[in-house]
Amino acid sequence: EAQVTQNPRYLITVTGKKLTVTCSQNMNHEYMSWYRQDPGLGLRQIYYSMNVEVTDKGDVPEGYKVSRKEKRNFPLILESPSPNQTSLYFCASSAPGVEQYFGPGTRLTVT
Amino acid sequence: EDQVTQSPEALRLQEGESSSLNCSYTVSGLRGLFWYRQDPGKGPEFLFTLYSAGEEKEKERLKATLTKKESFLHITAPKPEDSATYLCAVGSGNTGKLIFGQGTTLQVKP
Repeated sequence: EAQVTQNPRYLITVTGKKLTVTCSQNMNHEYMSWYRQDPGLGLRQIYYSMNVEVTDKGDVPEGYKVSRKEKRNFPLILESPSPNQTSLYFCASSAPGVEQYFGPGTRLTVT
Repeated sequence: EDQVTQSPEALRLQEGESSSLNCSYTVSGLRGLFWYRQDPGKGPEFLFTLYSAGEEKEKERLKATLTKKESFLHITAPKPEDSATYLCAVGSGNTGKLIFGQGTTLQVKP
């Protein structure tokens, strides 16, 4: 089954404790992206990757890091999480220029 | 500045009562307009892609249309299972970036 998977689905952590949210897709898509979704603000892009070893900032990159060492994986790293990074995070993938397919989401709470 | 605005924010319909959702956009170099459905706590589910003014696409009770400045998602004879948030997004530039609207939350009552 074609899908985007994210882990963990739920995470509660404390300020400053480094964490990684994994994202994997099995559709051989070149393009991958991370979004956060907050009430009243909608979906906002954090980082995206056009291909392996090619990443760039989206609209809200501060406090996040990404890497793309393999085509199928695109982990999101929070080096020192803060409470304002409490949000619902989505990973997405697509072929170039067409619709993106989203993962099930990761709900992160930073206390 | 690229921007997507959806209206209304919320819509309550009786089962069978047809209506339309609006998505207005300003973007330099439109590379597709996308409609998604999102259920609470879940990832957006792809519905349609429209690329040029005049294009229309249909799926069951949903029909999406596109003009140069806006898109409409028409819902014909909706059922309670159509209740969800509907998101509109535009593709911009060569980066594959999507710009999302705030969404319209649709509630269909039996």
